[in-house]
Amino acid sequence: QKEVEQNSGPLSVPEGAIASLNCTYSDRGSQSFFWYRQYSGKSPELIMSIYSNGDKEDGRFTAQLNKASQYVSLLIRDSQPSDSATYLCAVKGNEKLTFGTGTRLTIIP
Amino acid sequence: DADVTQTPRNRITKTGKRIMLECSQTKGHDRMYWYRQDPGLGLQLIYYSFDVKDINKGEISDGYSVSRQAQAKFSLSLESAIPNQTALYFCATSSRDTYQPQHFGDGTRLSIL
Repeated sequence: QKEVEQNSGPLSVPEGAIASLNCTYSDRGSQSFFWYRQYSGKSPELIMSIYSNGDKEDGRFTAQLNKASQYVSLLIRDSQPSDSATYLCAVKGNEKLTFGTGTRLTIIP
Repeated sequence: DADVTQTPRNRITKTGKRIMLECSQTKGHDRMYWYRQDPGLGLQLIYYSFDVKDINKGEISDGYSVSRQAQAKFSLSLESAIPNQTALYFCATSSRDTYQPQHFGDGTRLSIL
C-alpha cells in the first residue's frame, strides 16, 4: 500500500462545476496535510494547508480532513480553465513529507 | 526575487559529464531537499538535509551526490551523467515546524544526450 494515494485521474470537470480531489494516507500519526497545484513543467505551488479535522475554506478552495478515516480532500468550486493542472496531496508526520503521485484535472470550457 | 533560486534553469549535456545543480534560499529555513520528477510522474526524493552537518539519502540517491555549503545553499551533483537522469529537478526548503509546508524553487530542466 502506498503511503499517500490519490485519485488516479485524469479528472475532467465542466467549467463552473465543483471539482473534487481525494487523497488517503496510511500513517495515523500524520499531523499536517497540504495540497499543491502544479502546472505542466512548473514547480508545485502550495494552495491549501489543513491540520485539524473538518473543513478549511480559502476562496474557491475547501480542504476537508478526516483523521479517523485517514482521508483528505480538496474541493474547487466554480471551476475555471485556469484550474487545469495536476494537484498533489502531501502528508507530513515524523519529520517526513510524503507526496502522492498527483491527480490531473482538466476544466472543460 | 524568488525565495528559493535554482541554477541553471535549463541544461543540456552529454553522457559522462559531471553536472552541478545549485539551490540557494533566502527563507532562513534549516531544511533543504532535492527532488526529481519524470514526465507524468510524481516527485521522488533524492537527498535531504536538516542542517549543514546533517545530510540524508532519499529514495533514489544512486548516481547523485550533494553538498550543503551553508544554511542557504544546497547543491546536487551528477558525477557521470546518464540519459535516464534526464528529468525536471526541484529544490525545496522547509522550517523545522511540523505544520509548515515545503517551498519549491522553479526547477531545473536537465537533458542528457
